[in-house]
Amino acid sequence: KAGVTQTPRYLIKTRGQQVTLSCSPISGHRSVSWYQQTPGQGLQFLFEYFSETQRNKGNFPGRFSGRQFSNSRSEMNVSTLELGDSALYLCASSLGQGPETQYFGPGTRLLVL
Amino acid sequence: KQEVTQIPAALSVPEGENLVLNCSFTDSAIYNLQWFRQDPGKGLTSLLLIQSSQREQTSGRLNASLDKSSGRSTLYIAASQPGDSATYLCATERQAGTALIFGKGTTLSVSS
Repeated sequence: KAGVTQTPRYLIKTRGQQVTLSCSPISGHRSVSWYQQTPGQGLQFLFEYFSETQRNKGNFPGRFSGRQFSNSRSEMNVSTLELGDSALYLCASSLGQGPETQYFGPGTRLLVL
Repeated sequence: KQEVTQIPAALSVPEGENLVLNCSFTDSAIYNLQWFRQDPGKGLTSLLLIQSSQREQTSGRLNASLDKSSGRSTLYIAASQPGDSATYLCATERQAGTALIFGKGTTLSVSS
């Protein structure tokens, strides 16, 4: 079974631009979560989608948004990029019901100049 | 608000040594606890999941324990190998679909 895939793997943007990251979960998984990882703050939860609905949201500004499609693929958008948005963005997928392992993708490394 | 702490932040051991990584959390009302491994610049690989009703889980040379009452979990690695060198992260989940709350991790270096 294929793992979680994320595209693109690397991205360089300038301040003020916007960016869209994509995550394809493991086949059959309906839950996709997004995390931001930085050296200073570690891993922080952005949001979680289950069956096309945002089920939970972390404490990030409204510039960070996401959506999930009917095939469970998810996209995350960051508008008006700031230097502090430079990070590794990770998505994780799971069935979304009950205590279960979350499977992470390789991440998208975003650099904002 | 849940806080997860991992001590030590870094650990260096010679090959073959048995070692324990520690994870503590402030809110014992957890749904499950997971241990992950992260290699530099890569994503996370799940190692073990312990449900709130369980006390421990084992996979190969790895054994993870959970003591909810004291807010602690340990990851025991037997007969360490250079390939075990990575950052190990623990994370708690309050209920299904909620955020994983991560510790900052312990970076392990195993020398041959």
